[in-house]
Amino acid sequence: QSVLTQPPSASGTPGQRVIISCSGSRSNLGNRYVYWYQQLPGMAPKLLIYANDQRPSGVPDRLSGSKSGTSAYLAINGLRSEDEADYYCTSWDDSLSTWVFGGGTKLIVL
Amino acid sequence: QITLKESGPTLVKPTQTLTLTCSFSGFSLSTSGLAVGWIRQPPGKAPEWLALIYWNDDKPYSPSLKSRLTVTKDTSKNEVVLRLTNMDPVDTATYYCAHYQTANHKGFDFWGPGTKVTVSS
Repeated sequence: QSVLTQPPSASGTPGQRVIISCSGSRSNLGNRYVYWYQQLPGMAPKLLIYANDQRPSGVPDRLSGSKSGTSAYLAINGLRSEDEADYYCTSWDDSLSTWVFGGGTKLIVL
Repeated sequence: QITLKESGPTLVKPTQTLTLTCSFSGFSLSTSGLAVGWIRQPPGKAPEWLALIYWNDDKPYSPSLKSRLTVTKDTSKNEVVLRLTNMDPVDTATYYCAHYQTANHKGFDFWGPGTKVTVSS
């Protein structure tokens, strides 16, 4: 059972908008930044969003992050086949004194 | 260009100590605000944070693994070493090291490719 809760799967057709949620608590998302990672099969996680809504250079602007209270969201606009991957949210937890991860969401492009 | 790479044994026996080395380039761990983190991912599961080592040698560890973990750095060699004692089959995972920066709250922004470790007799 992960401290951050994500839906196990999400899907969409090419061109659609998909939103992946991440639910936490006051000790993590409520007080700390959220980070989003994409993981392709057999690869290391890649940073997509840091500090809630900031994109590293090279990440397309069709990806965006937001946070409201103890929930965070990753939105992917103009879905592409190459977006098919696992997505993880993470944050520091003040009560547990550890970085916590969501269980991951497998995004399927139909 | 920041790169990291993990190296170490692919197979360890139960009760043995795992030693992994993270070799990196493109930054110095003597630079204020920088750190190297270790994260592992069991097959088919989510990542799990293990430890960080900061430029000032501060070393937060995962509370659940703190008694078994040691992380050290060799700034002159651009290396960070992780040691995990008393290995168990549940420690089977891909182990990653990652560049971490506190500036702009960028978190773990660059990762190594990972090294797969299996614990089995």
